[in-house]
Amino acid sequence: KAGVTQTPRYLIKTRGQQVTLSCSPISGHRSVSWYQQTPGQGLQFLFEYFSETQRNKGNFPGRFSGRQFSNSRSEMNVSTLELGDSALYLCASSLEGLVYEQYFGPGTRLTVT
Amino acid sequence: AQTVTQSQPEMSVQEAETVTLSCTYDTSESNYYLFWYKQPPSRQMILVIRQEAYKQQNATENRFSVNFQKAAKSFSLKISDSQLGDTAMYFCAFMKPRDSNYQLIWGAGTKLIIKP
Repeated sequence: KAGVTQTPRYLIKTRGQQVTLSCSPISGHRSVSWYQQTPGQGLQFLFEYFSETQRNKGNFPGRFSGRQFSNSRSEMNVSTLELGDSALYLCASSLEGLVYEQYFGPGTRLTVT
Repeated sequence: AQTVTQSQPEMSVQEAETVTLSCTYDTSESNYYLFWYKQPPSRQMILVIRQEAYKQQNATENRFSVNFQKAAKSFSLKISDSQLGDTAMYFCAFMKPRDSNYQLIWGAGTKLIIKP
């Protein structure tokens, strides 16, 4: 089975722009979670989607949003980028019923200049 | 709120030695999951081992084992016969699967270096 894939792997954006990151889960996985990883704040939960619905949300401003499609692929969007949004964004997928077993993608490295 | 603390920012051991990484957590929950994840320099986060709080038996996966002390809220990872490929960041994480909330709460990580 193919693992979790994330595109793009690297991205450079300018402050004020918006960005969309994509995550394709493992086949059959319907839950997709997103995490932000920074040297200062460590790993923080952004949100989790299941069956096209946001089921949980972390403590991030409204500039961070996401969605999930009927094929379980997920996108996250960050609007009005700030320098502090520079981070590694990780996506994880899991089977419903085994949501504690999350499989991670390689991440998207976002740099905001 | 739940918190996870890893008190060792960095550790270094010789190949083939045994190393123990520490993790403590704070929660008022009785049912939860604890995890150790490994993130090698290539960045892919990999699940190393999982422990369910209601199970008294410590989880083991090949060279990796945990010492789960529920009363002390301690969850350490022991790596036996360490290998160069074990060099990575190790994160301890907590999940409280209640009310369909499956977010992982993470420790700050321990950088483990295995020296040849």
